[in-house]
Parts: sequence; C-alpha cells; structure tokens
Amino acid sequence: AQKITQTQPGMFVQEKEAVTLDCTYDTSDQSYGLFWYKQPSSGEMIFLIYQGSYDEQNATEGRYSLNFQKARKSANLVISASQLGDSAMYFCAIKNSGGSNYKLTFGKGTLLTVNP
Amino acid sequence: NAGVTQTPKFRVLKTGQSMTLLCAQDMNHEYMYWYRQDPGMGLRLIHYSVGEGTTAKGEVPDGYNVSRLKKQNFLLGLESAAPSQTSVYFCASRQGQGSWHEQFFGPGTRLTVL
Repeated sequence: AQKITQTQPGMFVQEKEAVTLDCTYDTSDQSYGLFWYKQPSSGEMIFLIYQGSYDEQNATEGRYSLNFQKARKSANLVISASQLGDSAMYFCAIKNSGGSNYKLTFGKGTLLTVNP
Repeated sequence: NAGVTQTPKFRVLKTGQSMTLLCAQDMNHEYMYWYRQDPGMGLRLIHYSVGEGTTAKGEVPDGYNVSRLKKQNFLLGLESAAPSQTSVYFCASRQGQGSWHEQFFGPGTRLTVL
C-alpha cells in the first residue's frame, strides 16, 4: 500500500519569495507517479504538476517545480516568486502501479499562507 | 465544456435518510472516482469506475453504493445516512489512456448528517 506524508500542517511565506512544501512517500512499487494539487478556500482541487518515477528530470510547470529525490522518497513542491493567490491547501498524492487503471492516495495537506 | 459537475452543492440529511449524489463529466473520460474529504485529512477514495457499467471499491466504501449506467455519469448513494458520513464529497474523472493523466475534480458537495 502507498502512503504519503506531509509533515508541515502550515507554512508561511512572504510575497515574491520561494517556498518548499515537503512530501515524502512510501511505496513498494517500482513504477509510480506523484501529483501535487492545490485547493483554494473556494474548495476546488486544481492539478499543478506530475512526476513519474522513471522521469530523469524534475518536473516544472511555470512557477511550480518538483524536487524529486528518489532515493530519499521525497517529492517536494517548490513555488517560486510566491503570490497572494498561492494561499491555499496543497496536497501531494501518489498513484499506484496499476497502469492506466490507477488510484491516488493523498497526504493530509499543507496550508500555505502568503503574506503581503 | 463544463468539466466535472456535481449535484447538489449542499445537503443536510437526518440520520437514516437516503440520498444520491450525481457527478457528470463532459470530457468523455473513461475513469471516474468518488472521494470524501474530512477536516485534517486528505481525500480518501470511496468507489471508482473504469468504464460504463463497472464499479470497484476504494479505501472507504462502507455505507456507500455507486452506479455508472452512462459513461458521463457516476452516482454515489447513501442508503441510510449516518453522522460519520458528514463530509465534503468530490467526484473526479480522467482519461483512460496514458497512466500519467491527472484527475479532474468537481467542485464538491458538502453533506451534513444530523
């Protein structure tokens, strides 16, 4: 069974600074994938970034990048140049190795607050 | 495209009542999922479907039933609601091909069981 651990219940960052949200995972699968989702106060879940276990380079999407350290089983999300609109809950999730028939296991989330 | 929609957005039930939550997607996605989100917890998978006419149990299926009679719709039923089922329910869908495709989520249904 997969497990995701997000050890930071809450994080604060100043606007325009970078912030790293931690995510460690546990899986016995050789092939897996890691997702990050954002949940603003309005409640919807927004996909941010994906990293496959066999991807050689760290994933990047605009101001989001994923610091993937396979040996340490960590997949930290880095947000550069934080904006007020980045204030939200952030969830890390891992997909099982069921090929296209995958299921996601989510962590408990980190609440990010961006201060002006 | 409306994406993933959920009906209703809010609902209050009394213990023992039944109800059905409707999820609809217009993206022709094969896979659909129902999650619940409780305070301090991440999303937990209730049931999912890999195609029209199929359903499977997730992590927390007890007390819920589902049906996928049409590809675009995924229904979640509570036969006899309990206070422990007070939660926010999210539906999600994704493409069938390609193992990396993300799940698209609906806006959620906030359910309170008194």
